Amino acid sequence: SAVISQKPSRDICQRGTSLTIQCQVDSQVTMMFWYRQQPGQSLTLIATANQGSEATYESGFVIDKFPISRPNLTFSTLTVSNMSPEDSSIYLCSGRDGSYNEQFFGPGTRLTVL
Amino acid sequence: KNQVEQSPQSLIILEGKNCTLQCNYTVSPFSNLRWYKQDTGRGPVSLTIMTFSENTKSNGRYTATLDADTKQSSLHITASQLSDSASYICVVSAGGGATNKLIFGTGTLLAVQP
Repeated sequence: SAVISQKPSRDICQRGTSLTIQCQVDSQVTMMFWYRQQPGQSLTLIATANQGSEATYESGFVIDKFPISRPNLTFSTLTVSNMSPEDSSIYLCSGRDGSYNEQFFGPGTRLTVL
Repeated sequence: KNQVEQSPQSLIILEGKNCTLQCNYTVSPFSNLRWYKQDTGRGPVSLTIMTFSENTKSNGRYTATLDADTKQSSLHITASQLSDSASYICVVSAGGGATNKLIFGTGTLLAVQP
C-alpha cells in the first residue's frame, strides 16, 4: 500500500491570505485527489489532480479558489486562496492505484482561518 | 441521487464487547464497497473492500458483510479494544474502472471504554 504524507500537518492563518498544502506519495499512483472534511462531516471531493494538466473540479469548487498542481506521479499541491473562516477544515490528499483500485489517504492538514 | 447512510451515528461499548455497524446505500452503478477506519486527527485507513460478488470479508477482528440485493453492508468488530475507538466510514464506489467516484457515508463514531 502507498504511504501519503502531507505538509503542513496544521496551520493557523489570517483571513485573506493563502496556504499551499503539499502531498507526497511514496510510490507512483494512477490518480490523486484532494478532499475537504469539515468537523463532524464526511469527506467531500474538491478535485482530481491531473498530471501535467489542469485539475478536474467538482461542483462548488473553482480553480481560482483552490489551484492545484501535479507535476509528476507522486506529488501534488493544493492552494487555498484568499482564505475566510469558512475555509477552516481538514484537507486530505488521496491517491489511487489503478491496478488494484485501492485508494489511500494522507493524514490531513488541519487549517484554521481567523 | 447516490447516497450512503450509516447507523448508528455514534456508539459506546465496553472493551472486549462486540459491535455491529450498519450501512445502507443507493448508488448506481455499483462498483465496490469499502469500510475505512479514521482515527481522530488522521486520514482514513482501508479495512475491507468488497465487490458485487463478495458476501463477506475479514481483516483481523473486523468482518464486513455485503448484501447487494438489499444494498446493505455491516461491519462487525469482535472483542473490541481501546484502539478501536475511531470513526468508521462506509464508502461505495460508483461507476467502473479507474475513474469511478467514491460516495462517503457520514461515519459511525465508536468509543470503546475500559
